[in-house]
Amino acid sequence: GENVEQHPSTLSVQEGDSAVIKCTYSDSASNYFPWYKQELGKGPQLIIDIRSNVGEKKDQRIAVTLNKTAKHFSLHITETQPEDSAVYFCAATALSGGSYIPTFGRGTSLIVHP
Amino acid sequence: GAVVSQHPSRVICKSGTSVKIECRSLDFQATTMFWYRQFPKQSLMLMATSNEGSKATYEQGVEKDKFLINHASLTLSTLTVTSAHPEDSSFYICSAAPPGRDYGYTFGSGTRLTVV
Repeated sequence: GENVEQHPSTLSVQEGDSAVIKCTYSDSASNYFPWYKQELGKGPQLIIDIRSNVGEKKDQRIAVTLNKTAKHFSLHITETQPEDSAVYFCAATALSGGSYIPTFGRGTSLIVHP
Repeated sequence: GAVVSQHPSRVICKSGTSVKIECRSLDFQATTMFWYRQFPKQSLMLMATSNEGSKATYEQGVEKDKFLINHASLTLSTLTVTSAHPEDSSFYICSAAPPGRDYGYTFGSGTRLTVV
């Protein structure tokens, strides 16, 4: 099955700095890579995603890059703000039993200091 | 669009009792919904795939007699934790995706279950 590794587990930055979270995956059949933001006591919220036929995608302060050959993808947040503080999960999605099942990384706790 | 509602958000129950958690897709029909369990500061663990009109598919190690899943309509899936014990205390989250968007799942807000 798929195995997703996510680093770092904790990331502390100053407001305005950039934050980068990296993930690797093992299954070459995975072709969709979403990133989720989870605030305390809430469900994960999709913030950006990328498909395997695209190398980079950007949405305002958030960008995701994918290197399919190396099987790694990264989340980049620029000009971080305190409200960006949350746990971020990456996921790799492959077809399994007729459904596209995401395998999640272990999460990165991002702390943005004002 | 693609809103998933989960209820209740918090529940406390006594050991030995059963608890039902509801997951509803509010603005789309979901033939498939997923149930996850999350321990504090850990990732989401897929428990089962809920299929409308058929039996749920459980992940290895998940007791299907303990975690009963019913997907009776295209907008509602329920997870019942039977004979709950303190070790069942956890954060339970459901997710679903609108037809044609099989990749981008929307998650519910989660249910914090505490068994005392």
